[in-house]
Amino acid sequence: EAGVTQFPSHSVIEKGQTVTLRCDPISGHDNLYWYRRVMGKEIKFLLHFVKESKQDESGMPNNRFLAERTGGTYSTLKVQPAELEDSGVYFCASSPRLRLAGAGETQYFGPGTRLLVL
Amino acid sequence: DAKTTQPNSMESNEEEPVHLPCNHSTISGTDYIHWYRQLPSQGPEYVIHGLTSNVNNRMASLAIAEDRKSSTLILHRATLRDAAVYYCILRDGAQKLVFGQGTRLTINP
Repeated sequence: EAGVTQFPSHSVIEKGQTVTLRCDPISGHDNLYWYRRVMGKEIKFLLHFVKESKQDESGMPNNRFLAERTGGTYSTLKVQPAELEDSGVYFCASSPRLRLAGAGETQYFGPGTRLLVL
Repeated sequence: DAKTTQPNSMESNEEEPVHLPCNHSTISGTDYIHWYRQLPSQGPEYVIHGLTSNVNNRMASLAIAEDRKSSTLILHRATLRDAAVYYCILRDGAQKLVFGQGTRLTINP
């Protein structure tokens, strides 16, 4: 079974440009999450999709970030315009439909996209 | 989300057991204790989770204190591949994971 994949693995852009990150979850996983780690900080939650719907977007830093999951399969995270403080590693994770109330389903992470904004 | 406290770093030798502590004094009755780890240049990966009883799986064991205010992740025989940052996370059914700083584990050959 293929794991979570992310593209690109690295991206270097200039301040003010636009970058789009893509995440392909494990096939059949309804839940898709975006997290990021900016330099020196902890991994932070950005948002959560259930199929194509945004379940929780409380972690999105500002309106320069736009996440989509059309058709409930892959997801994109667009940063427009990118700022220096957006540099970091962006992780995507997926999990199956919630079955265990309380425990939470295991999340499977991709390798991340390393974004550098110059 | 309830907070956890872990040592910043720990060091151990290859093929020896490793005990990674986690304090969670404000844990609620419905919080599960989850452990994830992040190997170098990879995304986090699930290790183990439990509620009240000790748990074992092929990767590790989780020992939970009787009052649930602390827990210990046990790697029975550490290998070089176990060098990673280990995160202790409390979940109450909320879908998102709340990561702390974790413990950076170094394994000496």
